[in-house]
Amino acid sequence: DGGITQSPKYLFRKEGQNVTLSCEQNLNHDAMYWYRQDPGQGLRLIYYSQIVNDFQKGDIAEGYSVSREKKESFPLTVTSAQKNPTAFYLCASSLSGGPSYNEQFFGPGTRLTVL
Amino acid sequence: RKEVEQDPGPFNVPEGATVAFNCTYSNSASQSFFWYRQDCRKEPKLLMSVYSSGNEDGRFTAQLNRASQYISLLIRDSKLSDSATYLCVVVRSARQLTFGSGTQLTVLP
Repeated sequence: DGGITQSPKYLFRKEGQNVTLSCEQNLNHDAMYWYRQDPGQGLRLIYYSQIVNDFQKGDIAEGYSVSREKKESFPLTVTSAQKNPTAFYLCASSLSGGPSYNEQFFGPGTRLTVL
Repeated sequence: RKEVEQDPGPFNVPEGATVAFNCTYSNSASQSFFWYRQDCRKEPKLLMSVYSSGNEDGRFTAQLNRASQYISLLIRDSKLSDSATYLCVVVRSARQLTFGSGTQLTVLP
């Protein structure tokens, strides 16, 4: 089955620790995205990547880092510099990041809680 | 002012009711508009696109008013399974979507 997987579903971290969230897709999509959702709020874009080995900051990139070494994978690292990391993190992908919009498909998300 | 604003609700309606949600956006250069549905603690899923001419998908009708910069979603004959949060999405560019904070709908038996 084609789709997007994220792991783990729930993640607990101590303050001051870096943590990496996994996102994998087998849809052969070029573009991938990371969003953060806080209670009662819409999704906010953290980083996006239109193609392998390239990525761009979104609206709230501070305290986060990403890599795109393979087309299928777009891991997100939440660093200790992120002041309020507890949130629901959603990964998405779309066919291409070209000039016209392509539907974004979302993974099931990872709930990160900082203790 | 937020780029995309929605009434957060909650909207509590009886089964069979008609309910409408509105969403306003501030960037007049926005290109495309969508409604996504998000079930509790799950990922958003595309419900439908929104066009100026209006578009219908079964019990759901979406409308865009570019002059007034708002989009709407109408749900007729509400079902229990329609209970969810409905997110208004405005596309600034192919790579950047702006999500509203969502309108929560509960359909009551």
